[in-house]
Order: sequence, then structure tokens, then C-alpha cells
Amino acid sequence: NAGVTQTPKFQVLKTGQSMTLQCAQDMNHEYMSWYRQDPGMGLRLIHYSVGAGITDQGEVPNGYNVSRSTTEDFPLRLLSAAPSQTSVYFCASKLQGNREQYFGPGTRLTVT
Amino acid sequence: TQLLEQSPQFLSIQEGENLTVYCNSSSVFSSLQWYRQEPGEGPVLLVTVVTGGEVKKLKRLTFQFGDARKDSSLHITAAQPGDTGLYLCAGVTGNFNKFYFGSGTKLNVKP
Repeated sequence: NAGVTQTPKFQVLKTGQSMTLQCAQDMNHEYMSWYRQDPGMGLRLIHYSVGAGITDQGEVPNGYNVSRSTTEDFPLRLLSAAPSQTSVYFCASKLQGNREQYFGPGTRLTVT
Repeated sequence: TQLLEQSPQFLSIQEGENLTVYCNSSSVFSSLQWYRQEPGEGPVLLVTVVTGGEVKKLKRLTFQFGDARKDSSLHITAAQPGDTGLYLCAGVTGNFNKFYFGSGTKLNVKP
């Protein structure tokens, strides 16, 4: 099992550009989520999904879109990147109804 | 605004010393978790505490959940350089769908 994988590992964008951060898991987990981690702020939940076709907002959803068409994948879209979105992004997954999350290795995004 | 406050923010100690990290909230959570994160990697779950007053031990690490389920502590006995990392607490909502993380405690254990 590869667990939770994220691509790319690093990305630099210019303000206004769009991009999609990819997240995939091979553990057949119903629940998937996206976090951002900023210095001194810990991790903050952006969006989460409890199954294919179902998504919901977390603490900091503005500026980000998600969709969940398959159990395995949960992409995060930035439609018009802003410098405030410079951060490290983590994807996580777990079995629905369980508390234990498994995190991916992260994507470091810089918006100039 | 952080729902969970961790203290201290930074801790640098010598190998063999003991330390305690605190996680405090004004909100009640159904459970509380502690994670450890190494540079360039995602957080890894260490423990989940569920019942108010619960104490869990993981080798040299002792975790406690406050009676009111608003605060928690992590105590490390005889710290080792391998304990170095970022320690994060997270409060879990009742349906296990939302996790609120503290700002983290960066621990450095010097040989």
C-alpha cells in the first residue's frame, strides 16, 4: 500500500494562476480532507469529504474548491492563487467513523 | 483564532530531562489527539484520549485528558534526541469529521 500520496511536492505560482493539488489514497477510506499548515498556526482544515459526491467546508474554505468523484482521489483546486495561499498543504484520509487519520507527505506551495 | 492553545511554543532540553507540553481549549471535544511531525513529512498520530481524566502511556510518553475534556498534557520522561520534532494536539468533533489543531510545540532534544 502506498497510503496517501500527494503531487506535486513543490509548486511555485504567480498571483492569479490556477492549479490543482492532487491527493490519492489506496486504503479504501471513505473520509478524505485537506489542511494547510502555516508557521505558528498548526494545521487548519480547508475541506473534507465523507464519500464520493459529498464534500463540506472546514475552517478556512475560501479560495479553494474540491470535488470527490471517486473514493481514491480528492483534488484541491485554487482558481486564482493569492500570496496568502502560500503554505504547506496536507491531505489526509481515514475510515468514516474512525478517529485515526493518515496524512500524506505534503505539497509546499509558494505564490508570488 | 486558535481553538486550541499549546504551550510552550518551543522547548530545547538536554537528553535525559523530563518535559511537559500543554494543550488548552475553551471548547469541549469528544476526544483529543496528539501527533508528532518530522520536517518535510505529515503528522503521525501518537494517541487518542476519549474519556475525561483518562491517562494513556506510550513507553516514555504519558498523555492525560482533563476531567472537563477541554485540556490535555503530554509528558515525556528521560527525553532522547529521537523525540525531537513538532508535537501537535488536535480536538475531534463528535462525528469525527472535523479536527482542530493546536499551533504546535517544537521540541529539540540535545545529545
